[in-house]
Amino acid sequence: KAGVTQTPRYLIKTRGQQVTLSCSPISGHRSVSWYQQTPGQGLQFLFEYFSETQRNKGNFPGRFSGRQFSNSRSEMNVSTLELGDSALYLCASSLEPSGGELFFGEGSRLTVL
Amino acid sequence: DQQVKQNSPSLSVQEGRISILNCDYTNSMFDYFLWYKKYPAEGPTFLISISSIKDKNEDGRFTVFLNKSAKHLSLHIVPSQPGDSAVYFCAATVFQGAQKLVFGQGTRLTINP
Repeated sequence: KAGVTQTPRYLIKTRGQQVTLSCSPISGHRSVSWYQQTPGQGLQFLFEYFSETQRNKGNFPGRFSGRQFSNSRSEMNVSTLELGDSALYLCASSLEPSGGELFFGEGSRLTVL
Repeated sequence: DQQVKQNSPSLSVQEGRISILNCDYTNSMFDYFLWYKKYPAEGPTFLISISSIKDKNEDGRFTVFLNKSAKHLSLHIVPSQPGDSAVYFCAATVFQGAQKLVFGQGTRLTINP
């Protein structure tokens, strides 16, 4: 069974640009969550999608957005990038929303210069 | 507002000894607690969990203890092995409009041979 796949794994952007990250959940999983990991802040919840609907949203500015497609694949977008957006962005999938046990991808490492 | 706190950013333990990782929380409505383990360049993986109706759950070398009155959670690893060196995140679930999973900042555990 393939795990959660995130692309791209690494990317470098400059301030003001925008970025789109992709996540393919485990087959059969309908819930996808996104987290931002930075040193000292742990895993900060961005949003959660289930059946193409955003169920939950963390405390991030509107520059952070996401969506989920009918095949459960999800994308997140960050517009007008800032230096502080440099982080590891992790996607996790589960059978049900916020069921507790999440299966994480390896993450997309974003560096903003 | 950090509802789940891991106050020790790092912990160093000798191989064969007991590792104790601590986690405090502020929200008494949390109903389920989990520990995740993360190696560099990999996503977090689920380790062990405990329901709020229990005070202990054991799985091999890993035991999680829950003290609801103190709002404190701990993970015991015994005996500690070099492969246990990783970042450990505690997490908790709560229903706030929708089921939500909240993570702590993480503790980097280093097992010394």
